Amino acid sequence: AQKVTQAQTEISVVEKEDVTLDCVYETRDTTYYLFWYKQPPSGELVFLIRRNSFDEQNEISGRYSWNFQKSTSSFNFTITASQVVDSAVYFCALSEAGAGGTSYGKLTFGQGTILTVHP
Amino acid sequence: DAMVIQNPRYQVTQFGKPVTLSCSQTLNHNVMYWYQQKSSQAPKLLFHYYDKDFNNEADTPDNFQSRRPNTSFCFLDIRSPGLGDAAMYLCATKPSGGAVTQYFGPGTRLLVL
Repeated sequence: AQKVTQAQTEISVVEKEDVTLDCVYETRDTTYYLFWYKQPPSGELVFLIRRNSFDEQNEISGRYSWNFQKSTSSFNFTITASQVVDSAVYFCALSEAGAGGTSYGKLTFGQGTILTVHP
Repeated sequence: DAMVIQNPRYQVTQFGKPVTLSCSQTLNHNVMYWYQQKSSQAPKLLFHYYDKDFNNEADTPDNFQSRRPNTSFCFLDIRSPGLGDAAMYLCATKPSGGAVTQYFGPGTRLLVL
């Protein structure tokens, strides 16, 4: 069975600080996909990034960066120079490929990290 | 813009009174999902459709049903809502085949009185 653990329940930072959200996953599949979603107070889950298990290249998008390490089964998310608008709940999620590439793509979510950025 | 739409955004119902939540999409995606998210918890998959094929999660209560009359629309029916069914209900879609990213609607927050 697959599992995603976000050990940090809540993080509070002051604007312009860097912050890293941790994500550790468990899966028996050799092909899988990792995701980060942002959920602002309005409730919508906003897709941020997807990473394939065969692609360990780290990624940077503006102030956001992601560090994927298969050796430690981690997929951490860093926000540089945080802003008040970054305040949200962030979910890490895992999807297994399934047989024949026809998986219905069930997402297993971590419990989420509440990030509060103070002015 | 192509998107996933959920109506209404807020729904109030009475204990035991059937309620229907709706989801529509302009993305023409084959797969549609319904998730339940209770306060301070992660979203939990209730069921999904692959085209017209309905797939129920093993632990989804019988109280929850779904209909998908066409590609664009999917409905969540709660036959007899209990107080414990108060939650955010999220609809998501994705294309079939190798695509794996799910795109979520804004959710419907259900309150049961």
